[in-house]
Amino acid sequence: SQKIEQNSEALNIQEGKTATLTCNYTNYSPAYLQWYRQDPGRGPVFLLLIRENEKEKRKERLKVTFDTTLKQSLFHITASQPADSATYLCALDTGGGADGLTFGKGTHLIIQP
Amino acid sequence: DAGVIQSPRHEVTEMGQEVTLRCKPISGHDYLFWYRQTMMRGLELLIYFNNNVPIDDSGMPEDRFSAKMPNASFSTLKIQPSEPRDSAVYFCASSLVKGIMNTEAFFGQGTRLTVV
Repeated sequence: SQKIEQNSEALNIQEGKTATLTCNYTNYSPAYLQWYRQDPGRGPVFLLLIRENEKEKRKERLKVTFDTTLKQSLFHITASQPADSATYLCALDTGGGADGLTFGKGTHLIIQP
Repeated sequence: DAGVIQSPRHEVTEMGQEVTLRCKPISGHDYLFWYRQTMMRGLELLIYFNNNVPIDDSGMPEDRFSAKMPNASFSTLKIQPSEPRDSAVYFCASSLVKGIMNTEAFFGQGTRLTVV
């Protein structure tokens, strides 16, 4: 069956270090992958989109990689700050490019000052 | 634009009652999605519309759930009758398709539904 896996355990990182979150998927061949941030009591907010023919995407302190052979995406936050503490969700298209996104359950990131 | 607007923010209802959740998407967006989020199952896609037409409702859990989009600026998700296991946060999202690739989804603040 199709599955998206993110580390369900909270990730604790010291301020200033690089936080790396993992998204693994099976039985999908997504055309693109997206990362979202969700704060408590709020809806997810889009961060980055990476297409299947792109290896890496950057936006300010954020970097996303996409390895279609390993079926894995890594999400990096460099020079992390306490304000980066949130739950981060990866999402894949499930076919056709215009379908609804399928989300992982998210990883809770805690940046400790 | 004010973003995707959902109402109500919170809803507490008794089992067996009808519940209607409302959503106003971002103006000009082609797609509208309804998601449900729980701790156990995460964020699940229930149904989505393209240009007001339902495209895929395979995520709707039961016939008790129904969704409509009478025009480009309004959608409803109705649960009748409601059950305690329907308790969750329901999100509406909209997006704009560019070419064959979907762009990012913009989510509303969600409706926290509690069925007692």
